[in-house]
Amino acid sequence: AQSVTQLGSHVSVSEGALVLLRCNYSSSVPPYLFWYVQYPNQGLQLLLKYTSAATLVKGINGFEAEFKKSETSFHLTKPSAHMSDAAEYFCAAIIQGAQKLVFGQGTRLTINP
Amino acid sequence: SQTIHQWPATLVQPVGSPLSLECTVEGTSNPNLYWYRQAAGRGLQLLFYSVGIGQISSEVPQNLSASRPQDRQFILSSKKLLLSDSGFYLCAWSARDWRYNEQFFGPGTRLTVL
Repeated sequence: AQSVTQLGSHVSVSEGALVLLRCNYSSSVPPYLFWYVQYPNQGLQLLLKYTSAATLVKGINGFEAEFKKSETSFHLTKPSAHMSDAAEYFCAAIIQGAQKLVFGQGTRLTINP
Repeated sequence: SQTIHQWPATLVQPVGSPLSLECTVEGTSNPNLYWYRQAAGRGLQLLFYSVGIGQISSEVPQNLSASRPQDRQFILSSKKLLLSDSGFYLCAWSARDWRYNEQFFGPGTRLTVL
């Protein structure tokens, strides 16, 4: 069965530091992968997506993610954290023919001044 | 461009009262539609999804139900609310083709059951 695991329910970094949010997937076939961001009391907004083209995907707000098939990972990074990056981040996956995304449990990112 | 609306934005209801949350999508046709719930401090729980008018798939058995009376309208209902129904309800849509199946989310409804 397909599953998505986000390592770390809470991540805290200093402003200006590297942001690394981890996501691993389990699927019998390579999935399409997504990262979403959710600010308090708002819906989810798509940050970026991997659809089997380039393995390094650039998204909005300076975020990027790299698909590594050998590690079944799709980690999200940003070189320099900004206070406005504080939010909940969700990794999600879908496989061919499916109608539903499978979401990870989310990672709450806190930025320290 | 496509937009998705949800209302109401916030709702406070007593235990045992009925519920109706509405979601509408503009700017697209034949979308897949989804209802999610986020309980406090927890992740996304898929409640229902629909691939067409009158076609509803339930993911979690509970006292909630969903209906899709029109192509771009999705309604979440309950006859009698429970305390455990409190949470943040999100509606989402996606294109029918799985290759474009990123989901686009509405602004959400905050439901508090007292």
